[in-house]
Formats: sequence, structure tokens, C-alpha cells
Amino acid sequence: EAQVTQNPRYLITVTGKKLTVTCSQNMNHEYMSWYRQDPGLGLRQIYYSMNVEVTDKGDVPEGYKVSRKEKRNFPLILESPSPNQTSLYFCASSESSTQYFGPGTRLTVL
Amino acid sequence: QKEVEQNSGPLSVPEGAIASLNCTYSDRGSQSFFWYRQYSGKSPELIMSIYSNGDKEDGRFTAQLNKASQYVSLLIRDSQPSDSATYLCAVNMISFSGSARQLTFGSGTQLTVLP
Repeated sequence: EAQVTQNPRYLITVTGKKLTVTCSQNMNHEYMSWYRQDPGLGLRQIYYSMNVEVTDKGDVPEGYKVSRKEKRNFPLILESPSPNQTSLYFCASSESSTQYFGPGTRLTVL
Repeated sequence: QKEVEQNSGPLSVPEGAIASLNCTYSDRGSQSFFWYRQYSGKSPELIMSIYSNGDKEDGRFTAQLNKASQYVSLLIRDSQPSDSATYLCAVNMISFSGSARQLTFGSGTQLTVLP
């Protein structure tokens, strides 16, 4: 089954404790991206990757890092999380312009 | 700044009616337009894509695009309670670096279909 998976689905952490949210897709897509979704603000792109070792900033990259060492994986790293990063995060992959979203990760930073 | 704007709603329609959802975008160079449906607590799922001016129909859904007016809409005919969700408009815009195209989403319109 074609899918995008994310882990963990839910995470509660404290300010400053480094965390990684994993994302994996089995569709051999070159393009992957991370979004955060906040009430009233919709989906905003954090980072995207056009292929292995090729990443670029989206609209809201501050406080986040990504890496793309393998085509299928695109982890999101928060080196020092802060409460304003409390949000719902979605990973997505696409082959052309159609994006397929993962199930989401709800992150709470206390 | 590249923008996609939608009325946040909520929009309420009775069962069986036509629901009309609207979206405007700022970048005249945009080429691809999408409507996603998102149920509460779930991830967005693609329901319609449209690339050229005019109407595109798929079952009860019709997407309409007018590039001159920078306007895209989604009509849902014979609305059902199961259509109650947030509908996100997304547009392919050139990134600020100019090196790639990426999706810019509107904030979504919450639709409620009343039985």
C-alpha cells in the first residue's frame, strides 16, 4: 500500500529537549516536504526536499532542521523546541504537483 | 508576499444543497490548483486538481478556474453530512528562491452540511 508514515503520532516534550519526527514514504517520490498546521493559519511549509541531499527552506523554517540522506526518509529535527512550536505537523511526498500527506504528528512543547 | 485566501467560514448548507467554496491567489504565474478535504484530526486528502481555465467535474464536485481573475472555486452538489470538513485551497507558486515550485495553502473553509 502506498503511504507516508510519521512517528511519533503524538509527543509531549519540554522546552529545549531535542527531538526528531521521522517521515518515510514507499512511493519512490523525489519531492518531500514538512508542514505545520495551526488554527487560522492553515498549512505552512517548513522545509522541502527535491531529492537526496537537496533541501530548501519553506515559509517558516526558523527553529527546524531537516536532512535527506535517503530517498524514502525525510526527518524533521527540532534542536531546541520552544512552546511556539506546539503544532500539528504533516509530512508529504509527491511525484509531480500532487502531494500525499502522512497522518500527522501532534507536538506539544511545555 | 505570495498568498492564497479563503473565507474561513463556517459555511453551513442544508443536505442536498450546493456548497460553494471560493479561493483567490496572488501570484499570476501560478499553474496548478488543488482542493483538499480535511476531516477533523485527519490529514488533508486531495479531491480535485485543475490546471486550465474553465470547469472540471468529478462526480458531485466541480472545480472552476479563472486565471484572469485569479480565482478558483469548488462546488459540491447534493451536499451530504459526510461532506462536513475543512476544505483547503492550494496553489503551486514559485518559491522565493525561484528554484522550485511549492504548494501554498489557504487557511481553509469549514463546511457543515446540516441533515
